[in-house]
Amino acid sequence: EPEVTQTPSHQVTQMGQEVILRCVPISNHLYFYWYRQILGQKVEFLVSFYNNEISEKSEIFDDQFSVERPDGSNFTLKIRSTKLEDSAMYFCASRHRLAGAMGSYEQYFGPGTRLTVT
Amino acid sequence: AQTVTQSQPEMSVQEAETVTLSCTYDTSENNYYLFWYKQPPSRQMILVIRQEAYKQQNATENRFSVNFQKAAKSFSLKISDSQLGDTAMYFCAFMNSGNTPLVFGKGTRLSVIA
Repeated sequence: EPEVTQTPSHQVTQMGQEVILRCVPISNHLYFYWYRQILGQKVEFLVSFYNNEISEKSEIFDDQFSVERPDGSNFTLKIRSTKLEDSAMYFCASRHRLAGAMGSYEQYFGPGTRLTVT
Repeated sequence: AQTVTQSQPEMSVQEAETVTLSCTYDTSENNYYLFWYKQPPSRQMILVIRQEAYKQQNATENRFSVNFQKAAKSFSLKISDSQLGDTAMYFCAFMNSGNTPLVFGKGTRLSVIA
């Protein structure tokens, strides 16, 4: 069964450094998402991406964050200058197409990347 | 903005017993989707069950079923014949129709006791 994959599984970085988190969504999916979960808290939406552009973003997704789909398979989240409070689990998710009777609306999650900023 | 409330931070159940996790949500939309996700200690997010708001029939998936009360904006999860592997955090989530993100509740930590 196809699945969303994410690399690395765990990333440790120093404050102020740039990190890139990578995701490979399911191949025929068209909508892509990043969520994050600070330890012990709920899952929060960061950004959604469709047709090579951001379709929606949350207040968390400030100028330090960017997303890209560089080659038609990978979907990346870049944090330009990491802060201690960026330490969290980052989940990538993908969905097939528009929700509705003819489409699939479930978002399939990857296993997550645990980011630790020291 | 939509909100999802899970009022039970922690619950426990004896193995083979039945447990119900509660979830309420707030929306002014008529068409939407509701989900329960399971997050075991590995922290993977696993879809357990889904419900379309336009369907009156409650969704079921093996030992998992929901009680969807649209007028009350309630979406509870019932786990029958609880197993040790059901021990996890359970998140209720809401999604509007269209390309909108999931809105999650704060989760309920379920412990199944042998």
